[in-house]
Formats: sequence, structure tokens, C-alpha cells
Amino acid sequence: KQEVTQIPAALSVPEGENLVLNCSFTDSAIYNLQWFRQDPGKGLTSLLLIQSSQREQTSGRLNASLDKSSGRSTLYIAASQPGDSATYLCAVSAGGTSYGKLTFGQGTILTVHP
Amino acid sequence: DAGITQSPRYKITETGRQVTLMCHQTWSHSYMFWYRQDLGHGLRLIYYSAAADITDKGEVPDGYVVSRSKTENFPLTLESATRSQTSVYFCASSDSRPGNTIYFGEGSWLTVV
Repeated sequence: KQEVTQIPAALSVPEGENLVLNCSFTDSAIYNLQWFRQDPGKGLTSLLLIQSSQREQTSGRLNASLDKSSGRSTLYIAASQPGDSATYLCAVSAGGTSYGKLTFGQGTILTVHP
Repeated sequence: DAGITQSPRYKITETGRQVTLMCHQTWSHSYMFWYRQDLGHGLRLIYYSAAADITDKGEVPDGYVVSRSKTENFPLTLESATRSQTSVYFCASSDSRPGNTIYFGEGSWLTVV
């Protein structure tokens, strides 16, 4: 059974810092990996999706990497801002008949203070 | 507006009652999903559907029933609500193109008393 772990569980940083969120998964046979953002009381917003054949994806100040063989992904946030404060979730998807079925980590609660 | 909407957003019900959570998407996505989010467990898949009239169980299906007679709707029914089903429920959808992202609704907060 796939298990996804996110470290750290919570992170508090001053504005402007670069930071890294970590995600690990136990079964390397994944189809893709997604990073989501969740604001309090809201749904999830997809930030980046990395296919199993890719090594990284970038969107603005966000960069996500994937090392499938070691079962790890990182989300790099450059020049953090208070508006980045949210819970960040990592999720992996298996392929085939399990397409789209996501296994989530517990999330990292990020607080960026001015 | 296009998107994925859930109703009701907030619901309090009594143990033993039947409750239906509605989910509607306007993209004609083939895949739809129901997840529940609980402290300590994170998000877990309840049921999913690959197309109209095709549904399958996820990780925690017991006590829930789904149907998908139309592509755009995917209701989730709690046949006899229990306190352990107090949770936040998220509906999601995705089209069938490989690598496409999954879009989530805003969630339905359900309390069973």
C-alpha cells in the first residue's frame, strides 16, 4: 500500500526566505505526483504536476522536483511571501486502472510572517 | 461559471439519518472523485467514477453509496449517518488525458450528532 510522508509538518519563516518542503513515497511505481495548496476552509488548488518521466516542473516562484527511484519530491518556494501561508499537500497517483486515484501526505503547514 | 460545485457547504444531521452530498462539474470531465479529510488521516478516497454509470470503491467506502447517471453529477449518499462520518468531504474531477490535473470543489462540512 502506497504511503506518502511530508516533512516538516509545520514551518514558520520570515518573509523573503527560500524554503523547501519534502515529500516521500514508499512505492516508486507512480504515474505522476502533484503538489497542492489548501487555504483554511477551502478546497485544494493544484500547483504543479510532475509526470513520472519528468524530473522537475516550474511555475513562477515554485519549483518541484521528482526522484522516482528514491521515492522523493521537493517543493522549492523562492522569496516567500505572507500570501504563501497555507497547507501544502503532496499526492501521488498510480496509473492503469488506478488513474487519478490520489494518495495524499498529511501536509506541511507553512506560515510566512512579515 | 464553469467549475466544480458542492452542496450543501455545511450540514448538521443526526445519527441514523440519510444524507446526500451533491457534486456538479461543468467541464464534462470523465473522472470524478469523493474524498474525505480528517485530522490525523489526511485526505482519503471514498469512491471514484471513470465515466457515467461506472463507479468503484476507494480506500474508505463503507457506509457510503454513489451514483453517476450523468457525466456532470456525482452525488455521495450516507445511508445511515454515524458520528465517525463527521468530516469534510471534497469532490474532485479530472479529464482522461494522461497527466491532467485534478480539480477540487470547496468542500462540504458535515457534522453528525
